[in-house]
Order: sequence, then structure tokens, then C-alpha cells
Amino acid sequence: DTGVSQDPRHKITKRGQNVTFRCDPISEHNRLYWYRQTLGQGPEFLTYFQNEAQLEKSRLLSDRFSAERPKGSFSTLEIQRTEQGDSAMYLCASSSTSPGYNEQFFGPGTRLTVL
Amino acid sequence: GENVEQHPSTLSVQEGDSAVIKCTYSDSASNYFPWYKQELGKRPQLIIDIRSNVGEKKDQRIAVTLNKTAKHFSLHITETQPEDSAVYFCAASETSYDKVIFGPGTSLSVIP
Repeated sequence: DTGVSQDPRHKITKRGQNVTFRCDPISEHNRLYWYRQTLGQGPEFLTYFQNEAQLEKSRLLSDRFSAERPKGSFSTLEIQRTEQGDSAMYLCASSSTSPGYNEQFFGPGTRLTVL
Repeated sequence: GENVEQHPSTLSVQEGDSAVIKCTYSDSASNYFPWYKQELGKRPQLIIDIRSNVGEKKDQRIAVTLNKTAKHFSLHITETQPEDSAVYFCAASETSYDKVIFGPGTSLSVIP
């Protein structure tokens, strides 16, 4: 499968625990994006990378959230001290900045439930 | 920052009829307007997009229009089929590889 992959697909955790999600983009894509989607809403931008550089982080994003893409390939999103309000689907997407068509392709998402 | 509004939030049409979803955006720097379809439990998938140098674009039964002056854009689906039932999101971005700001979505139901 050459699409965007995410792991795990589901995560249940207790409030206060730390969780980490992984995203593997399409191999030739240099940009990687994280979005969060709650039930009945559109995806909300969290942060994005070009290669290993984090270009922007949403002002709405708590300091408990951190993301990295150390080698410009896969990315991790960590949430520290989880809260019930963090329960959502976390979507990763990737795209290329090369000339031509630059559609963002989404992964299947990681569904987080905080008890 | 950019804000995208979308209406209606729900839309129910008879099979074969047309469906229209309308969106507005706030940031004049936005030049790329994708539309995503999301089926229940699935990832968003791009169905069509339009760039600011174009006023209209068609792909089979789907068409999008853009009025950059008014900051309005719309999705038109003709000859709707039950498999068109899904949530549709409009979105805006500066380019196709910048962050995308999504609207709240329209849940479309096509009644056989």
C-alpha cells in the first residue's frame, strides 16, 4: 500500500496519560499535515511540516501537544496529560510541493478516546 | 486567519435531482478551494478543486463555481445517486500544499 498510513488506528487511554501517534506519508511527499476531527465537524488544522521543519502550529493547539518529523519521513504526534476534550479522530495528510498537481492525501486516522 | 462557512448543514434530495452546497471564505489570500467527500468512518477524499484563476470547473456530474470578488464558492452535483450520500466539506487554502481550512460540512442524503 503506497498511501498514507497511521498507527494505531484506535487508542483508548485514561485521562492524564500520554499518547503518541505515528504517521507514514507517501514516500515522495515532502509536506506532512496533522488535523483533528471531532464528531460532526470538519477537520481542524493542527500543524504541518516541510521535510523535518515544522512550518506552523495552530494557535489553538495546547502546549500539551507536540509533533516532530525528525528525518523528514514519518511523523509523530504526542499528547501529554490527556484530557477528555482530546477525544477525536487525528488525521494525517501528505503532499508534494513539486510543480504539478499537489493534492493532500489523507490517512485513515487514529481515533483517540480519553476516559 | 481564514474562516470557512458552509450551508446547508444537512441536505436531502431525491435520486436524480441536483444538490447544491454553498460556502464563503474570509481570507483574500486564499487561492485554492478543494471539496472533500467523507463517507461514514472513512477518510476525507478530494472530489474536485478549483483555483482562483478559474471561475468554474466540471468533472462529470460535479461542478464547482468560484466568485473571488464575493468570496463565495459552490458545489453542484447533478443526477444524484444513492452513493453520493456522504458528508461534503468545502475548504480554502493559499495553495494546494498549504494548510487547509475546512468548513463545518454538509450531510447529503440521496433518497432512492
